Amino acid sequence: ILNVEQSPQSLHVQEGDSTNFTCSFPSSNFYALHWYRWETAKSPEALFVMTLNGDEKKKGRISATLNTKEGYSYLYIKGSQPEDSATYLCAFNGDDYKLSFGAGTTVTVRA
Amino acid sequence: GAVVSQHPSWVICKSGTSVKIECRSLDFQATTMFWYRQFPKQSLMLMATSNEGSKATYEQGVEKDKFLINHASLTLSTLTVTSAHPEDSSFYICTGGGLAGQETQYFGPGTRLLVL
Repeated sequence: ILNVEQSPQSLHVQEGDSTNFTCSFPSSNFYALHWYRWETAKSPEALFVMTLNGDEKKKGRISATLNTKEGYSYLYIKGSQPEDSATYLCAFNGDDYKLSFGAGTTVTVRA
Repeated sequence: GAVVSQHPSWVICKSGTSVKIECRSLDFQATTMFWYRQFPKQSLMLMATSNEGSKATYEQGVEKDKFLINHASLTLSTLTVTSAHPEDSSFYICTGGGLAGQETQYFGPGTRLLVL
């Protein structure tokens, strides 16, 4: 079992504020790092697949960075809105085809 | 994005019964699907890789005779929990979209199983 950790486990943010959280993963045998957003009672939705060290990806107000040498990725939410409330999962893909998931960071945006 | 359905979303059963969970790719063909299980406050854990037309590949510690996987078509994989016991109570979720690697995985909405 590969060690993929997400921090913090949960956070509350005021509407309009920005926030970020981390995913740490093994720095060896890196192939890809996935981010998913999981809203309650819905299917997890893919946000990003990141493959290159130094990658930065953006989707609307959400962006992510990747550092494969030190084994971490940050996910940023700019100007949080209530609809951003969800659990954000990261998943590490090593030198096989399988995904190892972190436990998620649950974001609650307060109006 | 592509859509994966999963049925049922909720199931409650008595100990000793078998439960079948279906995972369907609605608008794409999935030669490979993955089954995960999540216990409260834990990560999604890969149980098995379901391969269309061939046997599933199970992760270490997952009993293949207890968790029967059938992937008879390019759009349907089923997971049957045989002789379910309370410790099998969990959240089961499937994905499809090709081999994980660098490809996006598309998730079903999951099935919550409660064994009494």
